[in-house]
Amino acid sequence: KAGVTQTPRYLIKTRGQQVTLSCSPISGHRSVSWYQQTPGQGLQFLFEYFSETQRNKGNFPGRFSGRQFSNSRSEMNVSTLELGDSALYLCASSAEDPGQGGDQYFGPGTRLLVL
Amino acid sequence: AQSVTQPDIHITVSEGASLELRCNYSYGATPYLFWYVQSPGQGLQLLLKYFSGDTLVQGIKGFEAEFKRSQSSFNLRKPSVHWSDAAEYFCAVALYNQGGKLIFGQGTELSVKP
Repeated sequence: KAGVTQTPRYLIKTRGQQVTLSCSPISGHRSVSWYQQTPGQGLQFLFEYFSETQRNKGNFPGRFSGRQFSNSRSEMNVSTLELGDSALYLCASSAEDPGQGGDQYFGPGTRLLVL
Repeated sequence: AQSVTQPDIHITVSEGASLELRCNYSYGATPYLFWYVQSPGQGLQLLLKYFSGDTLVQGIKGFEAEFKRSQSSFNLRKPSVHWSDAAEYFCAVALYNQGGKLIFGQGTELSVKP
């Protein structure tokens, strides 16, 4: 089975712009979670989508949003980019919830640099 | 406050030496516990997890971890470290009925001396 894929792998944007990142989960996985990784804050949960519905949301401003399509592919969008949004954005998919013993598989991430 | 703590930011061990990475959690109930490894420029790879049952769990790449309820700990161990184990290691917890949300510790960077 192919793993979790994320596109693009690298992205450079300027402040005020918006960006869309894409994630394709492992085939058959209906849950997709997004995380932001920075040197200062570490790995922080952004949100999770399950069967096209947002099921969980982390403590991030409304500029961060996402969606999931019927084929389980997910996108996240960040509007009005700020310098502090520079980070590695990781997507993960799972067939069963980690909170019920399932495994969450991570993609390679999208590295976003905001200038 | 609910948290996951990895007390060691950076650890250096010699190749062939044993390794123990510490992880403590602070939650009302026993969470589900995971260890992930991240090599530079890569995503996270699951090493092992504790769900229930035997408190000593075996993982990939020769790693094991022991869950100690009394100490709220889930320490990762390896008897003999290889140079290729140099990476960052993250402890994470999941709570029942919290869906696909993992809460991570700050990570421990492992360096291996030849």
